[in-house]
Amino acid sequence: KNQVEQSPQSLIILEGKNCTLQCNYTVSPFSNLRWYKQDTGRGPVSLTIMTFSENTKSNGRYTATLDADTKQSSLHITASQLSDSASYICVVSAETGANNLFFGTGTRLTVIP
Amino acid sequence: NAGVTQTPKFRILKIGQSMTLQCTQDMNHNYMYWYRQDPGMGLKLIYYSVGAGITDKGEVPNGYNVSRSTTEDFPLRLELAAPSQTSVYFCASSLVGNYGYTFGSGTRLTVV
Repeated sequence: KNQVEQSPQSLIILEGKNCTLQCNYTVSPFSNLRWYKQDTGRGPVSLTIMTFSENTKSNGRYTATLDADTKQSSLHITASQLSDSASYICVVSAETGANNLFFGTGTRLTVIP
Repeated sequence: NAGVTQTPKFRILKIGQSMTLQCTQDMNHNYMYWYRQDPGMGLKLIYYSVGAGITDKGEVPNGYNVSRSTTEDFPLRLELAAPSQTSVYFCASSLVGNYGYTFGSGTRLTVV
């Protein structure tokens, strides 16, 4: 069964600290993996997208890694800011079909001053 | 460039009422999608369209209908609202099937 699991469910960190969010998946055949940021009351916004051949991709203070062998990904946030408070969703796409995105339930990150 | 626009942002319906959630995109994307997001759950696909005149069911289509008469618009219809349809609904679009999704800002629907 195609599944995407994220951990932790929620996380509270102090402003300025780093953190790492995890994503494990069983989607096959694999096409790409994306990390989205979803602010409260808003739609998800793409942070990074990685295909099978990519093992790291950065977007400012966000760095995503992908290990396609172990089917794991992580999102590392450096020097967190209050504006990083949001849900971070891991989404894995299978190779075939338009109905082929599998969503994790997200990690709720709260950055406190 | 507005991207994906959803209306309304909020709505309260009584059981049995009907309504249409509007979604329009100005990026000339072929693919459009409707998802629902329940608390603590991942987004679930309701319906999708790969182009004007073509629609198909997703994972949770019961109680909903869609149409795609133009490339830009993809409305979602609830005919007989039920409390189980209380959720946040997101419309999305993409140029190709599994790459580069753009999401709308969502419609929060409550059925009482």
